[in-house]
Amino acid sequence: SQELEQSPQSLIVQEGKNLTINCTSSKTLYGLYWYKQKYGEGLIFLMMLQKGGEEKSHEKITAKLDEKKQQSSLHITASQPSHAGIYLCGADSGGSNYKLTFGKGTLLTVNP
Amino acid sequence: GAGVSQTPSNKVTEKGKYVELRCDPISGHTALYWYRQSLGQGPEFLIYFQGTGAADDSGLPNDRFFAVRPEGSVSTLKIQRTERGDSAVYLCASSFRGESTEAFFGQGTRLTVV
Repeated sequence: SQELEQSPQSLIVQEGKNLTINCTSSKTLYGLYWYKQKYGEGLIFLMMLQKGGEEKSHEKITAKLDEKKQQSSLHITASQPSHAGIYLCGADSGGSNYKLTFGKGTLLTVNP
Repeated sequence: GAGVSQTPSNKVTEKGKYVELRCDPISGHTALYWYRQSLGQGPEFLIYFQGTGAADDSGLPNDRFFAVRPEGSVSTLKIQRTERGDSAVYLCASSFRGESTEAFFGQGTRLTVV
């Protein structure tokens, strides 16, 4: 079965700083999804990557998938307190795009 | 409704009791998913409905867990003879098609078995 390893497990940054969260898969990724979760709330879809070398951006968040399609990174530029939360990467198991396997998440704290 | 609605938001039950968790998906969404998230873990897939039928229930941990969606809209996750290990946040999501990229998640039901 596919496993996703996220690093770091938690991260504390000062407002305005840049940061990167990584997600490494034990198998080739067919689809890699990034979600954000706040305590007591559901998952908010951020981005999906499918092609090797693909990069997508939304506002100050950029996600990349490496050429070998086994690692993805999420980069936040000039972080704000509103970026705080748990970031989860999820992967579909190739052919089952409704069933995602998730990493354990990265807890991001942004201090004002 | 505007989003996926899950009720109750919190449920405390005694070990051995039966519980039902409800999910009201976004109107018109044919696909519905249940996930379970334990403390400090990512969500784990439980079951996927396409319309009224369970297209994939491979994530249900054992036969104490059962889910229905009789009219292709509201779904109920049923847990019999609850155990302390069932304590988790149960998340429901729905999408127009069976593609997780388009899935909208509810806020979850936090189940605590004491």
